[in-house]
Amino acid sequence: NAGVTQTPKFRVLKTGQSMTLLCAQDMNHEYMYWYRQDPGMGLRLIHYSVGEGTTAKGEVPDGYNVSRLKKQNFLLGLESAAPSQTSVYFCASTKTQGNQPQHFGDGTRLSIL
Amino acid sequence: SQQGEEDPQALSIQEGENATMNCSYKTSINNLQWYRQNSGRGLVHLILIRSNEREKHSGRLRVTLDTSKKSSSLLITASRAADTASYFCATARPGNAGNMLTFGGGTRLMVKP
Repeated sequence: NAGVTQTPKFRVLKTGQSMTLLCAQDMNHEYMYWYRQDPGMGLRLIHYSVGEGTTAKGEVPDGYNVSRLKKQNFLLGLESAAPSQTSVYFCASTKTQGNQPQHFGDGTRLSIL
Repeated sequence: SQQGEEDPQALSIQEGENATMNCSYKTSINNLQWYRQNSGRGLVHLILIRSNEREKHSGRLRVTLDTSKKSSSLLITASRAADTASYFCATARPGNAGNMLTFGGGTRLMVKP
């Protein structure tokens, strides 16, 4: 049981390049989330999904797009990377019932030069 | 914007001592959760306390919640070097359709052997 798996673990991009971060969970969770964590700070929600085919904006959605074509996968895309998007990105998932913890992947460390 | 604020931002103690971290938040909540993050890893759920609960225990962890003061505390008793990590509180608001959490900035705990 792998839980939440994020790929890749590290990536360096040049400004203007695009890329997709993949999150996969094997716990049959309905809800999935993408966060970013900047040095010395907590997590900020980028986008989230309450089920296959649905997505919604979080606190800091600008510059990112997401897709949830399959229940187990949640993709985060950067169409034109900017240095301000240098961060550590975390994916999480949880059940639909209330009062549930979120389960996190180990993150993707992304540097934009 | 961050719902929770942890205090202190950093804490250094000797092995065997107790560590207390505090979290304050701004709006009404459904539950409050504490997570641990080891360096370079994702967040791991420690304990969830519901808004109608005042205290919960899990092993060496004790969490209290005071909704009148909008604050919570995490106590780690008899700390070990392995407890060295960052600790985050996160709140879930009532009527939160996506089970979303808002995280504080974290407390960095160092336990010296």
